[in-house]
Amino acid sequence: GAVVSQHPSWVICKSGTSVKIECRSLDFQATTMFWYRQFPKQSLMLMATSNEGSKATYEQGVEKDKFLINHASLTLSTLTVTSAHPEDSSFYICSASVHNEQFFGPGTRLTVL
Amino acid sequence: GNSVTQMEGPVTLSEEAFLTINCTYTATGYPSLFWYVQYPGEGLQLLLKATKADDKGSNKGFEATYRKETTSFHLEKGSVQVSDSAVYFCALIYNAGNMLTFGGGTRLMVKP
Repeated sequence: GAVVSQHPSWVICKSGTSVKIECRSLDFQATTMFWYRQFPKQSLMLMATSNEGSKATYEQGVEKDKFLINHASLTLSTLTVTSAHPEDSSFYICSASVHNEQFFGPGTRLTVL
Repeated sequence: GNSVTQMEGPVTLSEEAFLTINCTYTATGYPSLFWYVQYPGEGLQLLLKATKADDKGSNKGFEATYRKETTSFHLEKGSVQVSDSAVYFCALIYNAGNMLTFGGGTRLMVKP
């Protein structure tokens, strides 16, 4: 089946630093990847849609300068949380779309101290 | 726009009880419907799906039938186990590349 990996699985950083999260489709090519954010005991909130070779489309209320998304190849999308603050602490999940289905990564837990 | 509504949890059941988690949707056209499961501390795993009306998705004892007339995709399992304790998300998608629309999730707790 289609496998999506994320790295790192968890990260703790100091306030003000930037954190990069990678999302990879391991055995298929994905022209479209999605980034979600999930707060404790809540549903997933779509942050942005990432298309290979073009700029990401951000959902309303998501700061594009704070959450930088790069989709440089058909198997890799990255999310960089710039100048992270404690309120950015969350569970970030990516997914890759193929054949009318999305396959999810295992998630990255970010804790900003 | 599209939306998905799930019954609110938590749902607490004893082992071997029957499970139903209701899911209804609002969408134009004919979306594909999904149930995802999220175990504690993990990402989402696809549990089952149905792509057209009257299709029944099934996996690991779970079933859901795509009901166009009632715009529903209720999740059922005849006998739950403690290991089924997780959060279940109902979702829909229109076509390749489009975003998933998620329900709010339903937490299931199964007690031995």
